[in-house]
Amino acid sequence: GQSLEQPSEVTAVEGAIVQINCTYQTSGFYGLSWYQQHDGGAPTFLSYNALDGLEETGRFSSFLSRSDSYGYLLLQELQMKDSASYFCAVIGEGNDMRFGAGTRLTVKP
Amino acid sequence: EPEVTQTPSHQVTQMGQEVILRCVPISNHLYFYWYRQILGQKVEFLVSFYNNEISEKSEIFDDQFSVERPDGSNFTLKIRSTKLEDSAMYFCASSEGGVGYEQYFGPGTRLTVT
Repeated sequence: GQSLEQPSEVTAVEGAIVQINCTYQTSGFYGLSWYQQHDGGAPTFLSYNALDGLEETGRFSSFLSRSDSYGYLLLQELQMKDSASYFCAVIGEGNDMRFGAGTRLTVKP
Repeated sequence: EPEVTQTPSHQVTQMGQEVILRCVPISNHLYFYWYRQILGQKVEFLVSFYNNEISEKSEIFDDQFSVERPDGSNFTLKIRSTKLEDSAMYFCASSEGGVGYEQYFGPGTRLTVT
């Protein structure tokens, strides 16, 4: 089977840096993606890691360690609009994407 | 900017009825997906579809579910005999390539089974 673990909630202030961790157990792992979802909205793609290391895209970075079955999403210079749910998702070799339960980020002024 | 569209935005149906949820993926995309999200819960993978065939399906995607690409633009999800527990938001997504490519999600269809 598959399991993904991520914190249920994180709170931070504007301008701060926050890291959302994700650990996974799965067979047939191909890569790890991160998606953002605002309340009432659809998931939107943030990042994808297939290889170990850090991928940076603007204020967001994502890290993967395949040997540790671990990844994280790093959000820098937090803005109020970053308040949303963040999901890690494992990509299987069958092109199936399985989501974690999500981390609700609240950014306070 | 191209986007995935879904119709209807909200569908109410009675238990035991058949429903068809419709999606128009981004035009040059080749891979299509359906997900569902029960209110307040995580997004759950249902099925991936490529070259007119199912590539992968989850344990949720049982015989009550089917997908079809009836023409060059639409991608549909049919639930044959709806149950109360099928009430959820159903998202369609598409991607240009296969594994690892960014998936673009539609706005979803909220299905309510009464």
